[in-house]
Amino acid sequence: QIQLVQSGAEMKKPGASVRVSCKASPYFTRYGFSWLRQAPGQGLEWMGWINGYSGETHVAETFQGRLTLTRDTFTSTAYMELRRLTSDDTAVYFCARQIAAAAGPVYFYDLWGRGTLVTVSS
Amino acid sequence: EIVMTQSPATLSVSTGERATLSCRASESVTTKLAWYQQKLGQAPRLLIYGASTRATGVPDRFSGGGSGTEFTLTIDSLQSEDFAVYYCQQYNRWPPLFGQGTKVDIK
Repeated sequence: QIQLVQSGAEMKKPGASVRVSCKASPYFTRYGFSWLRQAPGQGLEWMGWINGYSGETHVAETFQGRLTLTRDTFTSTAYMELRRLTSDDTAVYFCARQIAAAAGPVYFYDLWGRGTLVTVSS
Repeated sequence: EIVMTQSPATLSVSTGERATLSCRASESVTTKLAWYQQKLGQAPRLLIYGASTRATGVPDRFSGGGSGTEFTLTIDSLQSEDFAVYYCQQYNRWPPLFGQGTKVDIK
């Protein structure tokens, strides 16, 4: 069964960085992958997108300078790294797949990872 | 950016009844509108895309309608497994933003 497998929960201190992975197979390079987050009791916040084939990225203005998206086509894995963490970054982080990478960063998501809880606390 | 506004925030419905959820865009998104269902502690699940096309495996009691700036998600004969939070998302223009969600709970 096709699924997106995300890395496990993380506990970080303010000012640190976190890296979350999302393994997607098969056909990784056919898809685009967005990262979204959901703070406790809140809605969905879109963070950015990476093209699984080309590696092209688009990052929401809110996260520019602090968020890096990468991918490894050999391991079919997308990565999200968020730096300079604060308590406001405490959230569940989701990766989500869009069917057509060539459609660009604005699309809908047919498959989601189960989410990775990132807790930022001193 | 296009702001998505959902109403109501909470909808109390009895099992077997119909639920109608609304989503409004601050400018036209044509029919590039998706709906997702999220149950507590789970990831969102795609229900509808293209404003009215059901995703694979979605029961036909779920239907979407609308275009431009006004959209609806209708759930006919609500089942116990349908109690959840529902989000709309526009994908007409960057960034692809979501509404704040409508919680459907048991009346």
